[in-house]
Amino acid sequence: GESVGLHLPTLSVQEGDNSIINCAYSNSASDYFIWYKQESGKGPQFIIDIRSNMDKRQGQRVTVLLNKTVKHLSLQIAATQPGDSAVYFCAENSAGTYKYIFGTGTRLKVLA
Amino acid sequence: DAGVIQSPRHEVTEMGQEVTLRCKPISGHNSLFWYRQTMMRGLELLIYFNNNVPIDDSGMPEDRFSAKMPNASFSTLKIQPSEPRDSAVYFCASNNRGGRNGYTFGSGTRLTVV
Repeated sequence: GESVGLHLPTLSVQEGDNSIINCAYSNSASDYFIWYKQESGKGPQFIIDIRSNMDKRQGQRVTVLLNKTVKHLSLQIAATQPGDSAVYFCAENSAGTYKYIFGTGTRLKVLA
Repeated sequence: DAGVIQSPRHEVTEMGQEVTLRCKPISGHNSLFWYRQTMMRGLELLIYFNNNVPIDDSGMPEDRFSAKMPNASFSTLKIQPSEPRDSAVYFCASNNRGGRNGYTFGSGTRLTVV
């Protein structure tokens, strides 16, 4: 289950540094957002979500920031580890709908 | 919980052959989604079932594709006849809130049509 490959933007980060992955979403009516992580050979895995009534939400080593004014979402990973190497997707959803709009993804490479 | 289970993990078939992909959603989840992932188009929603009933199949590429959900624990996606452009990774995902709070994805089936 490899994800979208050759044309993905790639972020290379030194192990131990912080990573910031950005996403511009498309629908101003979207009120719920998720970050997914997809490792090679696996399906996308839920990392963290945020609703539009929040600007920031923290998890374990991850923080999601939402800027509704410019329709921008970011995922911050603290103390990046080799196991964080994957493709990261943002996904947006609107209340009353079941469909998600997925971003094209960003490949994170962690350098030892 | 074993998660969403898909089979087979890999399928290689010749053009024109019938292909059947299988999915077992998480027990208790009443929503099931089939997605296709390609390099060119990323993740595309093919079809959505709620309580075993197809709600939206507008993403199904053409009549060669069909999907069924005979019961709450099993779904199939069939391609007949298959074509090389159908080569992709096909994911099944399930949820118990019609998609809100995200999905749990299976590990996918990598389909190669030669």
